[in-house]
Amino acid sequence: NAGVTQTPKFRILKIGQSMTLQCTQDMNHNYMYWYRQDPGMGLKLIYYSVGAGITDKGEVPNGYNVSRSTTEDFPLRLELAAPSQTSVYFCASSYTGYNEQFFGPGTRLTVL
Amino acid sequence: GENVEQHPSTLSVQEGDSAVIKCTYSDSASNYFPWYKQELGKGPQLIIDIRSNVGEKKDQRIAVTLNKTAKHFSLHITETQPEDSAVYFCAASQDFGNEKLTFGTGTRLTIIP
Repeated sequence: NAGVTQTPKFRILKIGQSMTLQCTQDMNHNYMYWYRQDPGMGLKLIYYSVGAGITDKGEVPNGYNVSRSTTEDFPLRLELAAPSQTSVYFCASSYTGYNEQFFGPGTRLTVL
Repeated sequence: GENVEQHPSTLSVQEGDSAVIKCTYSDSASNYFPWYKQELGKGPQLIIDIRSNVGEKKDQRIAVTLNKTAKHFSLHITETQPEDSAVYFCAASQDFGNEKLTFGTGTRLTIIP
């Protein structure tokens, strides 16, 4: 099993550009999550999904969108990138809401 | 909403000594408290967790204690080894599930050989 994979690993965006961060898991997990981690801070939940077709907002959803068309994939869309979105983004998955969350390696995004 | 404070932000201990990291939470309804270890360039990994119906849990050199009255919980690492060097995060959830975790700000633990 590859676990949770994220692409790209690094990306530099200009202000106003858009991009999609990809996340895929091969563990047949129902729950998937997107977090952002700012320097010296803990992780903050952006969006999560409890299954295909079901998504919900986390603590910091503004400026982001998600979709969950399959069990395996949970892409995060950034529209009109802003410097405040410079961060490291982690995707995670768990079998249910009562199980361990497994994290991907992260995507480091810089908006200039 | 929930607020989790974590101390200290950095901690250096001699190899073989013990390390303790403390977290406090604000919402008395929180009932799930995991601890994550994050190595450089990697995503966090769960190392131990505790639920509110238990006061202490141990897994080899790692233990977690919970004081619900005082609303704080602690991570204890005994007989520290160089591979314990990492950033450790505590978290809390208001549900018995963990879909809405609130994380602390992290503790950078350095083990001095």
